[in-house]
Parts: sequence; C-alpha cells; structure tokens
Amino acid sequence: GQQVMQIPQYQHVQEGEDFTTYCNSSTTLSNIQWYKQRPGGHPVFLIQLVKSGEVKKQKRLTFQFGEAKKNSSLHITATQTTDVGTYFCAHRSGGSNYKLTFGKGTLLTVNP
Amino acid sequence: NAGVTQTPKFQVLKTGQSMTLQCAQDMNHEYMSWYRQDPGMGLRLIHYSVGAGITDQGEVPNGYNVSRSTTEDFPLRLLSAAPSQTSVYFCASSRTQQGISPPLHFGNGTRLTVT
Repeated sequence: GQQVMQIPQYQHVQEGEDFTTYCNSSTTLSNIQWYKQRPGGHPVFLIQLVKSGEVKKQKRLTFQFGEAKKNSSLHITATQTTDVGTYFCAHRSGGSNYKLTFGKGTLLTVNP
Repeated sequence: NAGVTQTPKFQVLKTGQSMTLQCAQDMNHEYMSWYRQDPGMGLRLIHYSVGAGITDQGEVPNGYNVSRSTTEDFPLRLLSAAPSQTSVYFCASSRTQQGISPPLHFGNGTRLTVT
C-alpha cells in the first residue's frame, strides 16, 4: 500500500522555538490525519485535512495539505513543554475508507 | 462512555504460550483494528474489522488471529508467542460513514513482553 515518509524522526527544541514535521508521499493522498502521542500514552486524533492546499489552525498548531495532496506539515509556534510527544501523520490506504496507515512519527522533545 | 478499553495493561509470556488481548468499545463503532507499536517503526496494522463477522488482515498479521462476534468486542489472539511479538499493542475503533474517513479512537494499550 501507499507509504508516507515522515521527517524528521527526532527534533529537540528549546521552549519557545518553533517546530515543524513533514509527511511526504510519492502518490496522491485522499486525505491525511494527524495524531499526537504523549510519552507512555496512546495516539490522540488532532485533525484531518481533505482538500488540496487546505490549511487549518488549532491555537499554536498549523496544519497544511499540499496543493498536489502528496505532502502535509504540522507546525507548532513557540513550543511549550506540553507539546512533548510523538506526532504521527496517517492516511487511509488500500482503497478502504477506514484502514489507516501511519507514518513512523516525529518525536519532539522540548527543553524548558 | 468508557471509550476503548484494553486488558490487560501489561503481560509477560514465555515463548510458545498463547494468550488473548481483549478490546471492547462502547461507542457503537463498526470499525475496529489492532496495531502494534515498536521503537522506530511507528504503528503497524495487524488486523481490522468493518463489522461483526467481518475481519481482514493488515500489514503484519502473521502469528495473530482475530474474530468479531459482536460490535463491541475485538479480541486479538497470539497463538504461540515469540520474542518478536514483544511490543505495545493498541486497539482502535471508529464509526463508519460513506465518503469520509472518521478519526480513530485508541485504547490505552497493552505492553507485552515475550521471554
């Protein structure tokens, strides 16, 4: 099935710095979802992007879906220690409307 | 609503033992799935189900069985545990709706160690 590459694998920032993680596909995606997993926790849904060029914001988080629907990004402005965790992108694959394939995630650590 | 409930939270098995990881959801979700999470590998789909009586294989199904006799429950069976099955297992569910991809709701996970 379709694979998505997520970069970087790790990112360490000082509190207050910005952070961006990227999700790239070689094929067009029908949609993309983003999840956050706190250390020791379970993934929690953040947002879904469906339209070409779509941009959505949640407080300090900005999500983008590329014009060609082959890439997506999550940008956090002025990181806080509460942002620590692993951020995953995911997309529906194999022609299924429900089966979700995840990227390998970006682990964000924040130095206070 | 309890959401998605997984039991047990932790389990240690010896090689060759069998066990069942339990998953139950009270949200009347048709879609349920099992993932395993290993360091650096992300979440990999083991099996999934789009409704009672219907199951299908995911990316890494070998060594695991599932059944879906009710909407609420989706147990994962390890037939003969191997050290390679040491992992954290997540059950996740979602509603089903034509034309959109509903978000997944995850359980808290089961940490399995096979020695």
